[in-house]
Amino acid sequence: AQKVTQAQTEISVVEKEDVTLDCVYETRDTTYYLFWYKQPPSGELVFLIRRNSFDEQNEISGRYSWNFQKSTSSFNFTITASQVVDSAVYFCALSTSGGSYIPTFGRGTSLIVHP
Amino acid sequence: DAGVIQSPRHEVTEMGQEVTLRCKPISGHNSLFWYRQTMMRGLELLIYFNNNVPIDDSGMPEDRFSAKMPNASFSTLKIQPSEPRDSAVYFCASSLNPGGTEAFFGQGTRLTVV
Repeated sequence: AQKVTQAQTEISVVEKEDVTLDCVYETRDTTYYLFWYKQPPSGELVFLIRRNSFDEQNEISGRYSWNFQKSTSSFNFTITASQVVDSAVYFCALSTSGGSYIPTFGRGTSLIVHP
Repeated sequence: DAGVIQSPRHEVTEMGQEVTLRCKPISGHNSLFWYRQTMMRGLELLIYFNNNVPIDDSGMPEDRFSAKMPNASFSTLKIQPSEPRDSAVYFCASSLNPGGTEAFFGQGTRLTVV
């Protein structure tokens, strides 16, 4: 079975603060993929990043960075110098070889950035 | 590319009526997913197609729900008869292959059953 836990239901910050969204996953498969998606108030789901289980390198894209740690089964997402436009619900997802690579989503973390 | 296209964007229907949701995946993608999003249950998979064949329909709630993919460029999700508890946002997504590539989502269909 595969599972994704996003323990933070809602996070509220003031603009320019850094914020980290946590994601913990569970799987017995050795081959798997992790994803982050953003769902702004308009409702669409926007793909942000994919990592595979064999690549633990952290990644940075502008103000976004991701920390993948297999030792703690975590794939955390940090937004540096947050902006109001970052306000959205962020979903972490997992797909595994044993799960036919069907993405399983966490419950999401609602990020509210106040001006 | 136009992305995944879903129609209609919004649907309001009366309990007992038939509802059909439509999806056009990204050209060249051979995996297609239907998800339902509700506050109570989050994003849950309803059905997964690979090369137009249903691979996993374990998430389809009951016999009132059915999905088809007659060709690589079109899929439908039908609810008959609809019930108020079916009210949700239904997303269609497609990916290039089943090997862990990212899924791209349509804008969703917001269904309200009154």
